[in-house]
Formats: sequence, C-alpha cells, structure tokens
Amino acid sequence: QVQLVQSGAEVRKPGASVKVSCKASGYIFTSYAIHWVRQAPGQRLEWMGRINAGNGDTKYSRKFQGRVTITRDTSASTAYMELTSLTSQDTSVYYCAEEYFEHWGQGTLVTVSS
Amino acid sequence: QAVVTQEPSLTVSPGGTVTLTCGSSTGAVTSGHFTYWFQQKPGQTPMTLIYDTTNKRSWTPARFSGSLLGGKAALTLSGALPEDEAEYYCLLSYSGVRVFGGGTKLTVL
Repeated sequence: QVQLVQSGAEVRKPGASVKVSCKASGYIFTSYAIHWVRQAPGQRLEWMGRINAGNGDTKYSRKFQGRVTITRDTSASTAYMELTSLTSQDTSVYYCAEEYFEHWGQGTLVTVSS
Repeated sequence: QAVVTQEPSLTVSPGGTVTLTCGSSTGAVTSGHFTYWFQQKPGQTPMTLIYDTTNKRSWTPARFSGSLLGGKAALTLSGALPEDEAEYYCLLSYSGVRVFGGGTKLTVL
C-alpha cells in the first residue's frame, strides 16, 4: 500500500533553516509528483510547492519563492522540503502528499522559537 | 498570485442540504482549474472528497458531490450528518501552481 512517512518534529531558532523529508513506498516513486502543504496552528492549509519526482521539475507558490527548495532523491524514494530564513510565522505542521492528494504523510511539526 | 475565496462558515441542519463554493480572483472557475475538495477534522490530516471538479474518491460518501455553479466550484452536501461537521478546503490549479481557499467551517446543527 502507498505510504508517505515524514521525518520527525523539529525546533529551530529564527533565521535558521529546516529540511523535512518524505519517504514514499508502495508505488514507483518517479511516476508521481510530491506536493508540500503546511498548516499553522488553527489556520488554513497553504500549498508550498511540488516536485515532479521523475524529472525533478519544481513549481512553487509565489509566497514561498526564494525561501523554499523542494528536491528528491530517487534512489531513496524520498522528497525533501527545505525552508530558509525561518520566523515564528513558519511554525506549522508540514505535510507531503502524492500528486493526486490521495495519500498524505503524517505531518511534521516545525516550531520556530528563540 | 490568485486568491481563492470560500465562505468562512456555514450551518446546516441534520438531513439538510448545503452548498459550499470556491471562487477565483482571476475570473470564473472552470474544469481547467482541476478543483479538489478536502475535508479536515480537528487534529486530522486532510482527506480528499472530490478531485477534478466532480470525481469522488472510493471513500467519498454519496451525499457529497462536486460541480461548477455560477462561475465557481461547488461542493454540495445532501442529507447532512453530524459527522460531516468539519473544515472544508478547495484547491485550484493555475497552470500547475496550486492555491487553497481559506476554508469553510461547516456546522451541523
């Protein structure tokens, strides 16, 4: 069965960066894109970007352009989302989801606090 | 970047019918926006109800349906149950760049 397993919770100081991983199993990793979505506490969902796991092509939300980088390692069937220049406003649960949003990772809480 | 608009909150009586809408700041929502609808309950991961405007997942209850209505995407719930109380989000595609709406908090009361 399809599974997306994300890395564990992270705590960072303002100005730092964070890199969250999303390991896929149960399907051919390079066949589908991976999206990254975040949700601050009590707030709405935000689409951050996505990567075509086959050719590595990326698309990003204008809101995060310049601060977010999505990559993948096909040998490890893993996608990564790196967010830089963190502020308290980036405290959120970060989710990965496969191309058609049928399967989601469990979410990774990133807390930004001094 | 486009802004996607949803009703902040709606209330429906048990057994009643309610329509949630999803509009785009760029104009009419069309099939080319490949609309998704998600249901999210507190503390849970979002779950897809509708994809590509009208298509249901295997787990989507028959009482939910998706459509285009008056230039917007719409999610209609017919025969609301208490378990349908949740936050509902739409997601539109703009040439591959996705944008979520602000979400609709649906109360069944």
